[in-house]
Amino acid sequence: KAGVTQTPRYLIKTRGQQVTLSCSPISGHRSVSWYQQTPGQGLQFLFEYFSETQRNKGNFPGRFSGRQFSNSRSEMNVSTLELGDSALYLCASSLDGVEVGNFGPGTRLLVL
Amino acid sequence: DAKTTQPPSMDCAEGRAANLPCNHSTISGNEYVYWYRQIHSQGPQYIIHGLKNNETNEMASLIITEDRKSSTLILPHATLRDTAVYYCIVRALQGGSEKLVFGKGTKLTVNP
Repeated sequence: KAGVTQTPRYLIKTRGQQVTLSCSPISGHRSVSWYQQTPGQGLQFLFEYFSETQRNKGNFPGRFSGRQFSNSRSEMNVSTLELGDSALYLCASSLDGVEVGNFGPGTRLLVL
Repeated sequence: DAKTTQPPSMDCAEGRAANLPCNHSTISGNEYVYWYRQIHSQGPQYIIHGLKNNETNEMASLIITEDRKSSTLILPHATLRDTAVYYCIVRALQGGSEKLVFGKGTKLTVNP
């Protein structure tokens, strides 16, 4: 079956703008988690959505938000972009958030 | 959350076994050890996981010490395509779901 897909794959924005990233999980998976990866901080957990509800949250400012739709697709939004938000944003899906997560290829965001 | 400690880098000759160590001395009794790897600029790929027994699959073997304070991932016949960053992760239970807490990982370079 098809894997986790993320769109867009690459994105360039300027400071102060906002951005929305999309993640389509594997069919039948109801849990979607988001991670930020930077060279300095590595992979950091942002939040997890399950059945359209945020179930778990990492230590990121409120500028980072997300949502999940009834078909389990998820979006994350970053408002008022800062240079430090430049990163690879990864999402992972699983059946119910307990078992192993399957990662997508990521969206690489560059903030100028 | 239980933390993991891995060497920052390792080298291995092509065709030889690669043994990647991981320390997780604060692991709880019901926490699993997971291994993922990430090839440059791609999403992390699941390799294997275990609780206390040794595990083997088509990709690798996982050896967990009896006290569960450390483990070793074994790639029996490393190839150039195994060059990647390998993450040892202990699953942390939080808020009714489980999230993956990634450390810095070990950059494995397989040399011809």
